[in-house]
Amino acid sequence: SAVISQKPSRDICQRGTSLTIQCQVDSQVTMMFWYRQQPGQSLTLIATANQGSEATYESGFVIDKFPISRPNLTFSTLTVSNMSPEDSSIYLCSVGPGGGGETQYFGPGTRLLVL
Amino acid sequence: GESVGLHLPTLSVQEGDNSIINCAYSNSASDYFIWYKQESGKGPQFIIDIRSNMDKRQGQRVTVLLNKTVKHLSLQIAATQPGDSAVYFCVRGGADGLTFGKGTHLIIQP
Repeated sequence: SAVISQKPSRDICQRGTSLTIQCQVDSQVTMMFWYRQQPGQSLTLIATANQGSEATYESGFVIDKFPISRPNLTFSTLTVSNMSPEDSSIYLCSVGPGGGGETQYFGPGTRLLVL
Repeated sequence: GESVGLHLPTLSVQEGDNSIINCAYSNSASDYFIWYKQESGKGPQFIIDIRSNMDKRQGQRVTVLLNKTVKHLSLQIAATQPGDSAVYFCVRGGADGLTFGKGTHLIIQP
């Protein structure tokens, strides 16, 4: 399986600011995804990061709040914009070989606390 | 809509005993299931998967059983060790991506 790293691993931010999270994979992958995991909860898919085109967002998530970049097959970024305390979560990137319904491999996550 | 749920939010077992974590799903068309393990402070880690044309699949110390008649699957961990302490998610894979259940926290008692 691919080795996935995320930066930063954790951060504490002030409300109203923005944070960009990076996801780096050690090999080229077709599919990259971004998830949110609120405290004590399960994972919710934010969007699929498409290489060379706009990300595909799930219901309840919008590009203005969570802009995503995918400049190549090994790297993606997720920005959490205009943060509020409700954005305090773990943000995880994952990679997968196919259309999203197959096994995905996850990064270690970015733990975000918004004050 | 589709749901994937675990029966118990917390399961406590003695070290050395076998653990059984259960999961139910609602969509009869589901054809692929994955179990993930998430240790504290880490991302989910793939454990084992199973397709709907199978009833059972075994890995190292783990077995997944799928009962399509009652839409139920389970993860069995043999000889539970302290390192097995984690939250376990059963996940449905489909055309709409992965659907995560709520997770069961496995607690190992010495």
